[in-house]
Amino acid sequence: EFVLTQSPGTLSLSPGERATLSCRASQSLSNRDFAWYQQKPGQAPRLLIYGASSRATGIPDRISGSGSGTDFTLTISRLEPEDFIVYYCQHYGSQGLTFGGGTKVEI
Amino acid sequence: EVQLVESGGSVVRPGGSLRLSCAASGFTFDDYGMSWVRQAPGKGLEWVSGINWSGGSTGYADSVKGRFAVSRDNTKNSLFLQMNSLRAEDTALYFCARGEVACSPTNCYYGYLDLWGRGTRVTVSS
Repeated sequence: EFVLTQSPGTLSLSPGERATLSCRASQSLSNRDFAWYQQKPGQAPRLLIYGASSRATGIPDRISGSGSGTDFTLTISRLEPEDFIVYYCQHYGSQGLTFGGGTKVEI
Repeated sequence: EVQLVESGGSVVRPGGSLRLSCAASGFTFDDYGMSWVRQAPGKGLEWVSGINWSGGSTGYADSVKGRFAVSRDNTKNSLFLQMNSLRAEDTALYFCARGEVACSPTNCYYGYLDLWGRGTRVTVSS
């Protein structure tokens, strides 16, 4: 079974600090079919990153994605108040869509 | 405005059935594949099902295979999820979302989801 494990479960930081969120795949991925989403309480998820490192429309450049193989990272260079929410990683492809368990970024 | 709006969620007894709908607007619906994703209370996201642009190819998570059926009506810009034999563990907020679904005769490739609705809540309880 293919699993994505996000760490940490909760990240406690302050506005202006740098956030580094990790996602580890249980099997090495031969491509970069990897995405990140953010979700505010009571709202739908919003696509941030696709193709492991491409920003979706309207996403500021302080948010970036990187990684390959089994290890992928979402970096927020300077946290703004609206960034303190939950983030999910996702692998997409011919096996369907698999999501990680989420990382909550809190003040 | 480009949007997806889900409806049809309700409280249903175990073993019951429910049909969810998703109305699309603001984009050419039959240019896109679609998926259903659910989120149990306080939990993460789980992909449920996907369908290609024509409705001719579908895919399901193992947890719902044989019980749920996805379909679409491109003339009405609508996506549907027929849920049968519902269980307590199906309780969740159900989102419809837009994303590539590219299919060959043997399987489908599911892409990332770039547009989501706000969800409709399904509660399975006696």
